[in-house]
Amino acid sequence: DTGVSQDPRHKITKRGQNVTFRCDPISEHNRLYWYRQTLGQGPEFLTYFQNEAQLEKSRLLSDRFSAERPKGSFSTLEIQRTEQGDSAMYLCASSTAGTNEKLFFGSGTQLSVL
Amino acid sequence: DQQVKQNSPSLSVQEGRISILNCDYTNSMFDYFLWYKKYPAEGPTFLISISSIKDKNEDGRFTVFLNKSAKHLSLHIVPSQPGDSAVYFCAASLWGGGADGLTFGKGTHLIIQP
Repeated sequence: DTGVSQDPRHKITKRGQNVTFRCDPISEHNRLYWYRQTLGQGPEFLTYFQNEAQLEKSRLLSDRFSAERPKGSFSTLEIQRTEQGDSAMYLCASSTAGTNEKLFFGSGTQLSVL
Repeated sequence: DQQVKQNSPSLSVQEGRISILNCDYTNSMFDYFLWYKKYPAEGPTFLISISSIKDKNEDGRFTVFLNKSAKHLSLHIVPSQPGDSAVYFCAASLWGGGADGLTFGKGTHLIIQP
C-alpha cells in the first residue's frame, strides 16, 4: 500500500500527558500537512512542510504543539500537557508541490483526552 | 470567518435520484476547488476537482459545476447509490497551493435512502 499511513489509529490519554503521532506520506510527495477535525467541522489546517522545512503554522497551533519532519520523509506531531479540548481527529495529508494541488489524506489518529 | 460554507448539514436522497450538494466561498483568490468524501473513522478521500478556468468537470456519476461570479459550486451525483452515503466536504485552495493548503467547509452528510 503506497497511501498515507498514520499511527496510532486511536489514542486515549489522561489530561496533562504528552502524546506523539506519526505520519508516513506517499513516498514521492514533498509536501506534508497536519489537520485537525472535530465533530461537525471540516478539517482545519495546523501546519505544513515542504521537504524538511516547516513553512506555515496556523494560529490554532499553540506552543504545546510541535511538528517535525526530519529528512523530509515521515513526520511527527507532539502535543505536550494535553487538554480535553485537544480531543479530535488528527489528519495527515501529503501532496506534490504545484498548482491544482490535491491532498491525499491518511486515516487519521483519533485522540481522546480524559 | 468561514471562507468556505456548506449550508446544508445533511441531505437525504432516494436511491437512483440526483444528489446535489452546494458550496459557497467568499475568498475570490481561490482558484482550485475540490470535493472530498469521508466515511466515519476514515480520512477524507479525493472525489473530483475543478480549476477556476472551467465551469464544469465530469467524472462518471460525479459532476462539479463552478459559478465564479456567484462564488458557488455544486456537486451532482447521478444516479445516487447507497455507497454514496457519507460526509462530503467542499475545499478550496489558492494558486500554487502550499501556505494553508486547503480550506474546508463543514461538510454535508448525504444519506441515500433505499
